[in-house]
Amino acid sequence: KNQVEQSPQSLIILEGKNCTLQCNYTVSPFSNLRWYKQDTGRGPVSLTIMTFSENTKSNGRYTATLDADTKQSSLHITASQLSDSASYICGCGYNKLIFGAGTRLAVHP
Amino acid sequence: GAGVSQSPSNKVTEKGKDVELRCDPISGHTALYWYRQSLGQGLEFLIYFQGNSAPDKSGLPSDRFSAERTGGSVSTLTIQRTQQEDSAVYLCASSRSTITGANVLTFGAGSRLTVL
Repeated sequence: KNQVEQSPQSLIILEGKNCTLQCNYTVSPFSNLRWYKQDTGRGPVSLTIMTFSENTKSNGRYTATLDADTKQSSLHITASQLSDSASYICGCGYNKLIFGAGTRLAVHP
Repeated sequence: GAGVSQSPSNKVTEKGKDVELRCDPISGHTALYWYRQSLGQGLEFLIYFQGNSAPDKSGLPSDRFSAERTGGSVSTLTIQRTQQEDSAVYLCASSRSTITGANVLTFGAGSRLTVL
């Protein structure tokens, strides 16, 4: 069964701290894996896209990793800011994306 | 347009009524996707279009749900005889081609449907 599981479900960190979000997938066929940021009441916004041959990709303070052998990905956020408070969603697939339930991140001052 | 446009942004309807949700993708994008997001849940795939054809409509929950796309542009998602469990945010996304080629998938802001 095609599944994407994310952990933790929710996370609270202090401003300036780092955090890492996890994504495990069993989606097949697989072409690429994506991380999205979704602010409350808004549509998801793309952060990174990685093909199966890529191990890491950065976008500013966001760094995503992919291990295609273990079917795991992570999103590392460095020096968190209050504006990072949002849901972070992992999605992967071939012609269509299967998404996880997301991690809700709250950054407190 | 500059982004994916969806209308209405909010729709409140009574159980049993039909609703139509509209998506206007980014100009030139051939692939168009519909997803549903229920409160606290992940994005649930409904259907995708490549041009005017729908190669995969496996996510449509029941025969009350249908979607069409005309002129390779605007798409309409229709829900007939709405039920309370249809209440959700319906998100549309488009990309230059299918996501197989790692094309960026851009989402609209969504249409929030509430069935009373």
